[in-house]
Amino acid sequence: DGGITQSPKYLFRKEGQNVTLSCEQNLNHDAMYWYRQDPGQGLRLIYYSQIVNDFQKGDIAEGYSVSREKKESFPLTVTSAQKNPTAFYLCASSILWAETRANEQFFGPGTRLTVL
Amino acid sequence: GENVEQHPSTLSVQEGDSAVIKCTYSDSASNYFPWYKQELGKGPQLIIDIRSNVGEKKDQRIAVTLNKTAKHFSLHITETQPEDSAVYFCAASWGGSQGNLIFGKGTKLSVKP
Repeated sequence: DGGITQSPKYLFRKEGQNVTLSCEQNLNHDAMYWYRQDPGQGLRLIYYSQIVNDFQKGDIAEGYSVSREKKESFPLTVTSAQKNPTAFYLCASSILWAETRANEQFFGPGTRLTVL
Repeated sequence: GENVEQHPSTLSVQEGDSAVIKCTYSDSASNYFPWYKQELGKGPQLIIDIRSNVGEKKDQRIAVTLNKTAKHFSLHITETQPEDSAVYFCAASWGGSQGNLIFGKGTKLSVKP
């Protein structure tokens, strides 16, 4: 059963705590992405990675950190420096066919993070 | 950088009618335009996409058209059904390591039985 999994589905955090969101894919995709979704907004890119042990900041990376130690895994840590972390977080992955070709991204089911 | 505008933000149609959602983009270098459907509490699902070397693509009741000169693209859903009710997002990208997807803000489609 191939796909992208995210866990947990719901996550509650107290102010000042770091939390880590899991994202795993068994599609053998090269690239993985983290997006944040707020009500009435489009998806905004937090971080992305095109190869193991390498990742790049997206548009809203402040207060977040990632790692890419394995091809299939791309965890996101929401740190206490993120001032407004309550949101729906989405992980995606894609094949990288070529440097100049945009590729289809497939999304996981998401994690809803709420700061108490 | 790229900017994607999506209209309307909400759309209500009767079952069986057609629905059209429109997006405009700013970067003429963009060459890939996907559409996603997101149901409540779930991740977006890719429903159709188009690349700049074609003007129209169709998949059953769903079609996408692209006008590169005007820099806009549209999603057309015919014979709408209640299960088409969802939020639809358009996106644009020019590819490459820096050419990530830029999303519109979404259209909430309601299909009334």
